[in-house]
Amino acid sequence: KNQVEQSPQSLIILEGKNCTLQCNYTVSPFSNLRWYKQDTGRGPVSLTIMTFSENTKSNGRYTATLDADTKQSSLHITASQLSDSASYICVVSGSGGYNKLIFGAGTRLAVHP
Amino acid sequence: GAGVSQSPSNKVTEKGKDVELRCDPISGHTALYWYRQRLGQGLEFLIYFQGNSAPDKSGLPSDRFSAERTGESVSTLTIQRTQQEDSAVYLCASTQWWTAETQYFGPGTRLLVL
Repeated sequence: KNQVEQSPQSLIILEGKNCTLQCNYTVSPFSNLRWYKQDTGRGPVSLTIMTFSENTKSNGRYTATLDADTKQSSLHITASQLSDSASYICVVSGSGGYNKLIFGAGTRLAVHP
Repeated sequence: GAGVSQSPSNKVTEKGKDVELRCDPISGHTALYWYRQRLGQGLEFLIYFQGNSAPDKSGLPSDRFSAERTGESVSTLTIQRTQQEDSAVYLCASTQWWTAETQYFGPGTRLLVL
């Protein structure tokens, strides 16, 4: 069964600190992996998209890594800000005729002053 | 419009009633997706439209759920005889082509079935 699991389920950090969120998947065949940020009451917004040939990708203070061999990804947030408080969702796309995505349950991050 | 829009933003209904949710994708986007997000859970794929092709309905949880899309424009998701377990946020997303990498999500419709 294709699955995407994220950890931790929730996380509290102090403003200015770094943190790393984890994503493990069993989706096969694999096409790409995405990280989304979802603010409370809003739709998800794409942060990064990585194919199997990419190991790391950055978007400002967000850096995603991918190990296609171990089927693991991480999202590292540097110098956190209060506005980083949100749910971070890992999404994996299997290859096929269309872009059907499998979503993780997300990690809820709270950044405190 | 600048992004994907959905209406209504909130909907409260009584068990057994029918509801209709609307999604306006980004103009020119050929692919449209509906997802459901229950409280504290991940997104569940419901249905996918690509141009004039037959939609992928594999994610619809029951025959009470149906969706339509007119060409490459607005889509409606209909839930008949609503149940309390249908309470969730229903999200719509669109992409320019089926191979496009970025899905653009709407703000969602929050459905509460009493």
